[in-house]
Amino acid sequence: GQNIDQPTEMTATEGAIVQINCTYQTSGFNGLFWYQQHAGEAPTFLSYNVLDGLEEKGRFSSFLSRSKGYSYLLLKELQMKDSASYLCAVGDSNYQLIWGAGTKLIIKP
Amino acid sequence: IAGITQAPTSQILAAGRRMTLRCTQDMRHNAMYWYRQDLGLGLRLIHYSNTAGTTGKGEVPDGYSVSRANTDDFPLTLASAVPSQTSVYFCASSDGHAGELFFGEGSRLTVL
Repeated sequence: GQNIDQPTEMTATEGAIVQINCTYQTSGFNGLFWYQQHAGEAPTFLSYNVLDGLEEKGRFSSFLSRSKGYSYLLLKELQMKDSASYLCAVGDSNYQLIWGAGTKLIIKP
Repeated sequence: IAGITQAPTSQILAAGRRMTLRCTQDMRHNAMYWYRQDLGLGLRLIHYSNTAGTTGKGEVPDGYSVSRANTDDFPLTLASAVPSQTSVYFCASSDGHAGELFFGEGSRLTVL
């Protein structure tokens, strides 16, 4: 079966760094996506990895290891507005996205 | 620029009633999708359309139907609503296989 695993909830302190992990088992691989979803709102795109390595975009970075079926999202210099759910999704062999349940990130002052 | 517009934003519906959730995009994206989001579960694909005139079944299609008469509109119909269809429904679009998804603001549906 196809499966995406990520922690249910994480807590971090304002100004700190947090890493949200995602492991996946899918039929085929056509890229890994990270989305941010604030409570009561729609998901918004953060990053896309298709090759192994680190992609950096401002305070956010995303890493991919295809051989390990593993990715992480790294958030630096955390701000209160980063409190949200972070969704990991993988494109399968049919280019359909398989979604994790999301990681709720709580930022404390 | 509106992006993707969904209607209604919220609806309470009696079981057995027919309901259509509307979705319109102004980005001229070829691909459109309907997802449902339930607490503790990932987004689940209901139906999709890769281009106008074609549709396909996703992971959880039973009880739902879609049509794609043109590029902009992708309505989702519940023929006879049941309580298990209580959920938040998101419409999304993309301009290609590797393209990011753009989501509408969601439609919260409660079936009693």
